[in-house]
Amino acid sequence: DAGVIQSPRHEVTEMGQEVTLRCKPISGHDYLFWYRQTMMRGLELLIYFNNNVPIDDSGMPEDRFSAKMPNASFSTLKIQPSEPRDSAVYFCASSATPGLGERTDTQYFGPGTRLTVL
Amino acid sequence: DQQVKQNSPSLSVQEGRISILNCDYTNSMFDYFLWYKKYPAEGPTFLISISSIKDKNEDGRFTVFLNKSAKHLSLHIVPSQPGDSAVYFCASLTGANNLFFGTGTRLTVIP
Repeated sequence: DAGVIQSPRHEVTEMGQEVTLRCKPISGHDYLFWYRQTMMRGLELLIYFNNNVPIDDSGMPEDRFSAKMPNASFSTLKIQPSEPRDSAVYFCASSATPGLGERTDTQYFGPGTRLTVL
Repeated sequence: DQQVKQNSPSLSVQEGRISILNCDYTNSMFDYFLWYKKYPAEGPTFLISISSIKDKNEDGRFTVFLNKSAKHLSLHIVPSQPGDSAVYFCASLTGANNLFFGTGTRLTVIP
C-alpha cells in the first residue's frame, strides 16, 4: 500500500481565499483523522471520522473549517475564508478498528500539507 | 490548554550515549501513552506505547517509562544513533481515538 496520501503538499494562498486539502486513507482503514501542527500547540486533532461519519469535531477551530468524507477512500478539509493564522502543516491519518483486546490501533500519518496564507 | 507538555524543545546527544526525552500530562483520565517520531517533510510514525497498567515498556533500543503519580513519562534511547535525529512527539489517549499530542522535542544525535 502507498500509505496515506495527501495533496497538495504545499499550498500558498491569499487571505480570504478558499483552501481545500485532500486525503486518501490506507485502504481498509475505517478511521480517518485530520490534525494541525503548529509550533505553539504541536499536533492538534481537528476532527475524526469512523466509517465516513464524523465522530468528534470538537477540535475544529471555527466555522470557517469544514471536513467531509464522501466515501471510504477520500476526505477533504476546507477552510473558507482562509486567514494568516491558519498557516500550519495539516496532517491526515488513518487507522483500523482495534483488534479484540487491543486498546487502540496505530494511526498512520500522511506526509502533510504545508499551508501558507499570506 | 496543553494537556500534554514537552518542555524541552530540543536536545543534543553524542552518538552512543543515552537520549532521554520527557513528557508531562495533566489529565488523569489518560490511560495509554505513545511516542511518535517525525522526520522533516514526513508525517509522524509510531514508535512505542505504554498502557497505564505498566510502568515500563521496552522495544530494542527504545524504552518508555511511566510514572502515573507524577503524571510523567519518558523515552530512553540507548545507544543513540545519528539516524535517531528527528522530532519526537509524546501523545496520550483518552477514549478510543482521541490522541493528545505534545509540542515535540527535536533530538539531534551528534556523530
